Amino acid sequence: QKEVEQNSGPLSVPEGAIASLNCTYSDRGSQSFFWYRQYSGKSPELIMFIYSNGDKEDGRFTAQLNKASQYVSLLIRDSQPSDSATYLCAVTRGLSGNTPLVFGKGTRLSVIA
Amino acid sequence: DVKVTQSSRYLVKRTGEKVFLECVQDMDHENMFWYRQDPGLGLRLIYFSYDVKMKEKGDIPEGYSVSREKKERFSLILESASTNQTSMYLCASRETGLSSYNEQFFGPGTRLTVL
Repeated sequence: QKEVEQNSGPLSVPEGAIASLNCTYSDRGSQSFFWYRQYSGKSPELIMFIYSNGDKEDGRFTAQLNKASQYVSLLIRDSQPSDSATYLCAVTRGLSGNTPLVFGKGTRLSVIA
Repeated sequence: DVKVTQSSRYLVKRTGEKVFLECVQDMDHENMFWYRQDPGLGLRLIYFSYDVKMKEKGDIPEGYSVSREKKERFSLILESASTNQTSMYLCASRETGLSSYNEQFFGPGTRLTVL
């Protein structure tokens, strides 16, 4: 099983709809979870992180974490064409602040106007 | 404003050449990372460093080496470039802390083509 798995997409949603992006991870020791957005030809930029079970909201974005199921998701409400990008899920390996993040391959989101 | 910079946005080299990719961060971060990103393969870790003169192999270190002589600078070296090293190279840095949820910042990337 790969360490971090995401559906590659593309995921197409109409403008104004909710986009739901999912990620599963294999390391039960992972402590922190990140969502990065990457526009075509650009480098990834952090949009949210979460480390406690439950939901965390920031504007139109909600991250959800379920450590028992080893599952993390990102909801984007009122999707806009500018949200069209690849979304990368990343998790920490173990407890140390020195360890690298492990990235999924990303889900490509397309918001149709 | 935090910043990670990379020496080149685009680079074209010949097979067998020695290639240096430079990365500089101005955030006084201990940790620095080199990734490559390829379509369908995602971000793959090549090497990382958690302190000056320290280095650790990532998932795909073969054909690469690194150097970290100063805290702010982390260099990736391709000793003898090959066509399968054509890729987007991304440098990143992150602070060390007791918590592991410190943000990892990326540079703009270097698109390397090896002919």
